[in-house]
Amino acid sequence: AQRVTQPEKLLSVFKGAPVELKCNYSYSGSPELFWYVQYSRQRLQLLLRHISRESIKGFTADLNKGETSFHLKKPFAQEEDSAMYYCALDPFGGATNKLIFGTGTLLAVQP
Amino acid sequence: GAVVSQHPSWVICKSGTSVKIECRSLDFQATTMFWYRQFPKQSLMLMATSNEGSKATYEQGVEKDKFLINHASLTLSTLTVTSAHPEDSSFYICSASGGADEQYFGPGTRLTVT
Repeated sequence: AQRVTQPEKLLSVFKGAPVELKCNYSYSGSPELFWYVQYSRQRLQLLLRHISRESIKGFTADLNKGETSFHLKKPFAQEEDSAMYYCALDPFGGATNKLIFGTGTLLAVQP
Repeated sequence: GAVVSQHPSWVICKSGTSVKIECRSLDFQATTMFWYRQFPKQSLMLMATSNEGSKATYEQGVEKDKFLINHASLTLSTLTVTSAHPEDSSFYICSASGGADEQYFGPGTRLTVT
């Protein structure tokens, strides 16, 4: 079955420290992977997607098909990065926008 | 960016009644809208996909007769929870897509069934 796993419910780091939010998926095909972010009292919004290979707000994510992972990284965390982060998978390669979400990781960046 | 609204933002209803939730794309035409539900401390679970002018496609395990979805126009989709029960209490989130582009999420509707 298709599944997205985010092993950490909470990740707390200090400002300026590196951040890595883990995401693993189980799917045998060629999925499209996404990271969504939800800031306090705001709606869910797209942070980045694998196919675009962009760096958004200093965040990057590399798809590792061998390890079936799509970890989100940022070299220096900022307080404004504090938010809920969801990893998501579209099993149809991004064609349908039908997303399977992980359970989310709450990132808390301490001053 | 594109804006999706939901109404109401929260609703309390009595067991056995029906409640309708609206999802609107305010500044773009949404050919496809998605409905998710999220239980506390759990992930968003896709309930159904609706395309304008056609019947919704429900995910496995979602009762189509209980969760009625209508997507009558390119800017409006509605989710009606019929004969609501306390176990239907949840956070319902819609999203809208104008094609193969990014989907934009609404702020969610919190439903409490007493």
